[in-house]
Amino acid sequence: GQNIDQPTEMTATEGAIVQINCTYQTSGFNGLFWYQQHAGEAPTFLSYNVLDGLEEKGRFSSFLSRSKGYSYLLLKELQMKDSASYLCAVRALSGGYNKLIFGAGTRLAVHP
Amino acid sequence: EAGVAQSPRYKIIEKRQSVAFWCNPISGHATLYWYQQILGQGPKLLIQFQNNGVVDDSQLPKDRFSAERLKGVDSTLKIQPAKLEDSAVYLCASSLRSTSGRRVQETQYFGPGTRLLVL
Repeated sequence: GQNIDQPTEMTATEGAIVQINCTYQTSGFNGLFWYQQHAGEAPTFLSYNVLDGLEEKGRFSSFLSRSKGYSYLLLKELQMKDSASYLCAVRALSGGYNKLIFGAGTRLAVHP
Repeated sequence: EAGVAQSPRYKIIEKRQSVAFWCNPISGHATLYWYQQILGQGPKLLIQFQNNGVVDDSQLPKDRFSAERLKGVDSTLKIQPAKLEDSAVYLCASSLRSTSGRRVQETQYFGPGTRLLVL
């Protein structure tokens, strides 16, 4: 079966660093995505990892370890606008096609 | 580049009524997805189209939900009849497979969603 786990809620202070973890069990693993979703809005793409290691993009970085079924999203220099849900999504190959399976999301609250 | 368009943005209906949602994907994107997102949960895939053919509808409640993608562009998702538990945001997404060196990426881009409330 497919299973994705991430913390339900996190809080952090403006200017700080926060790490959001995601663990998964899936067959046919073919990449991992992180999306940001503000309340009432659609998810927007943040990062993509398919090989082990760290991908950096400005204030956001994402790490993947395929052998451990583990990823994290690192947000640096937090801003109030980073308050949102962060969705971990695993892409799995099934029946010849890729399918994206989402976790429930981590709701991050950034406070002054 | 225009994003994924969806309409309507909001819909309120009574149970047992019918409702339809429309999606226009990003131009040139061959793959189109419909997701259901219940409050507090991640999006759940309902159906995936490759051009105008269905490649995955394993989680679509086919007794009440139907979807089509005529001519491989726009798509409609219909619920008939609606139940209370269908209250959710219905997200449409599209993607295009791209290759950079040995890295193949197919990022999904989401529309604003249709927020459905069934009373």
